[in-house]
Amino acid sequence: KAGVTQTPRYLIKTRGQQVTLSCSPISGHRSVSWYQQTPGQGLQFLFEYFSETQRNKGNFPGRFSGRQFSNSRSEMNVSTLELGDSALYLCASRTGDGEAFFGQGTRLTVV
Amino acid sequence: KQEVTQIPAALSVPEGENLVLNCSFTDSAIYNLQWFRQDPGKGLTSLLLIQSSQREQTSGRLNASLDKSSGRSTLYIAASQPGDSATYLCAVPGSNDYKLSFGAGTTVTVRA
Repeated sequence: KAGVTQTPRYLIKTRGQQVTLSCSPISGHRSVSWYQQTPGQGLQFLFEYFSETQRNKGNFPGRFSGRQFSNSRSEMNVSTLELGDSALYLCASRTGDGEAFFGQGTRLTVV
Repeated sequence: KQEVTQIPAALSVPEGENLVLNCSFTDSAIYNLQWFRQDPGKGLTSLLLIQSSQREQTSGRLNASLDKSSGRSTLYIAASQPGDSATYLCAVPGSNDYKLSFGAGTTVTVRA
């Protein structure tokens, strides 16, 4: 059974650009969550999607957005990139009993 | 707001020693608690999930206990090996959602 797949693994972008990250959950999982991990702030929740609906949103500016498609794949978009957006972005899908499985992450570097 | 604390922040032990990692949380109304392992630059690997109705969960050399009333969980790793070197994180969902709150992690080094 394939795990959570995130693409791309690495990205380098310039300040002011926008970026889109992709996440394919484990087959059959309908919930997808996104987290940002930085050395200073640790792991912080961005948002959760379930059946194409955003169910929960963390304390991030509106530049961070996401969506989920009918096949449960999810994308996360960050517009007008800032240096502070450099981080490891992790996606997780969840089983019915609440166990979360994470992908390998996308390392975003903003220069 | 759920606050999760992990002590110690770092741990270095010789190979073969047992590891004890602690996790505490402020809101005891949790559905479950999950332990993860993270290798440098990698994603999180799920180690154990303990449901709120359980007191402990075991997988191989790993054993995790949960005491909801005191807001604590402990991860025991028996007979540590150099391959156990990693950062270990605990996480709990919100009381009415599945947003995970993470501790800062315990970085473990097992010396050969």
